[in-house]
Amino acid sequence: NAGVTQTPKFRILKIGQSMTLQCTQDMNHNYMYWYRQDPGMGLKLIYYSVGAGITDKGEVPNGYNVSRSTTEDFPLRLELAAPSQTSVYFCASSYPTGMEAETQYFGPGTRLLVL
Amino acid sequence: AQKVTQAQTEISVVEKEDVTLDCVYETRDTTYYLFWYKQPPSGELVFLIRRNSFDEQNEISGRYSWNFQKSTSSFNFTITASQVVDSAVYFCALMDTGRRALTFGSGTRLQVQP
Repeated sequence: NAGVTQTPKFRILKIGQSMTLQCTQDMNHNYMYWYRQDPGMGLKLIYYSVGAGITDKGEVPNGYNVSRSTTEDFPLRLELAAPSQTSVYFCASSYPTGMEAETQYFGPGTRLLVL
Repeated sequence: AQKVTQAQTEISVVEKEDVTLDCVYETRDTTYYLFWYKQPPSGELVFLIRRNSFDEQNEISGRYSWNFQKSTSSFNFTITASQVVDSAVYFCALMDTGRRALTFGSGTRLQVQP
């Protein structure tokens, strides 16, 4: 199992540009999440999904959009990049039952710099 | 609203010292999960432990141990005989049973000097 994979690892955007951060998991987890981590801070929830076709906002959703057409993929879209979106983005997934219930497994992160 | 407080921003110890990282949480849920994650300098998040609110037994895993006290809403993490490889940022997190999303503390940076 590859676990949770994210692409790209690092990206520089100009203000106003758009991009999609990709996230894929191969553990058949139905819950998926996007968090951002600003320097020296903990992670904050952007969006989450409880299954294909179902998404909802977290604490800091402004400036982002998500979709969940399959169990495996949960892309995060930035439409008009702003310097305030400079951060490290982590995708995570979990399953609500079983031996490892509720444990979120994280991808390696995408470092985004908006200039 | 859920909240996790890690009051220790940074701790520096010398190798082989014991160190305890504090975590205090707030929640109105009666059922919840608590977690500790490690973030080494390479940046990834490594899962260390999960504890549910019904299980107040302390846990030991090698040099790591966790003390969960519901009465004081604390979930502290102790590293015994610290090693340089333990140098990292450690996050405590609380899961709400609705969204099953994590609320993170701000982290404690641990530096273990040789």
